[in-house]
Amino acid sequence: DVYLVESGGGVVQPGESLRLSCEASGFAFSSYEMNWIRQAPGKGLEWISYISSSGRTIYYADSVKGRFTISRDNAKSSVFLQMNSLRAEDTAIYYCARVRPCSSSSCYTTEYWGQGTLVTVSS
Amino acid sequence: DIQMTQSPFSLSASVGDRVTITCRASQSVASFLNWYQQKPGKAPKLLIYGASSLQSGVPSRFSGSGSGTDFTLTISGLQPEDFATYFCQQSNTTPFTFGPGTTVDT
Repeated sequence: DVYLVESGGGVVQPGESLRLSCEASGFAFSSYEMNWIRQAPGKGLEWISYISSSGRTIYYADSVKGRFTISRDNAKSSVFLQMNSLRAEDTAIYYCARVRPCSSSSCYTTEYWGQGTLVTVSS
Repeated sequence: DIQMTQSPFSLSASVGDRVTITCRASQSVASFLNWYQQKPGKAPKLLIYGASSLQSGVPSRFSGSGSGTDFTLTISGLQPEDFATYFCQQSNTTPFTFGPGTTVDT
């Protein structure tokens, strides 16, 4: 079974930083691309970042570009999200998710999700 | 950015009903369209990828169709565990945008 366990969420003040971690198990982590996706309380889903299996290709949503940094450590089967200059609108549940291998009809598809970690930005 | 819309916003249905949810993209996403189911307090679950491919372990009463800009998720014979919110997402172009969701309730 695929397991993704996020940690590092909490309550911070605007302008502060937080680092989320996601530990993966049950699959060959180094072979899979990963996403971070968030969901504000009672709201919809927002994709925020992608990292390739090697870590060499990275994408960000404009809403977090320049403030958030995705990275991974394949030796530790972990992916991270460094979040700086946090804003109230960053308040959300943050999900780590495994991406389905690319095929002719499907790429970058989020296949498995962690349980999420809540980040609250409030003064 | 590609904007995703869904209709209806919510629908009421009964066990055994055939339910259809529509997703539209503001520009073509080819077949790079995915459907997810989310229940309260839980992470989303992938149902359909590539517009029409059933994710492993998902019941065959779920099906997807469409290409380009117009897509459909159909539940043939709604079951009690299917009452949930359904999201479409395009994975053709970053940012990989989601639709606003459709809630299926009784």
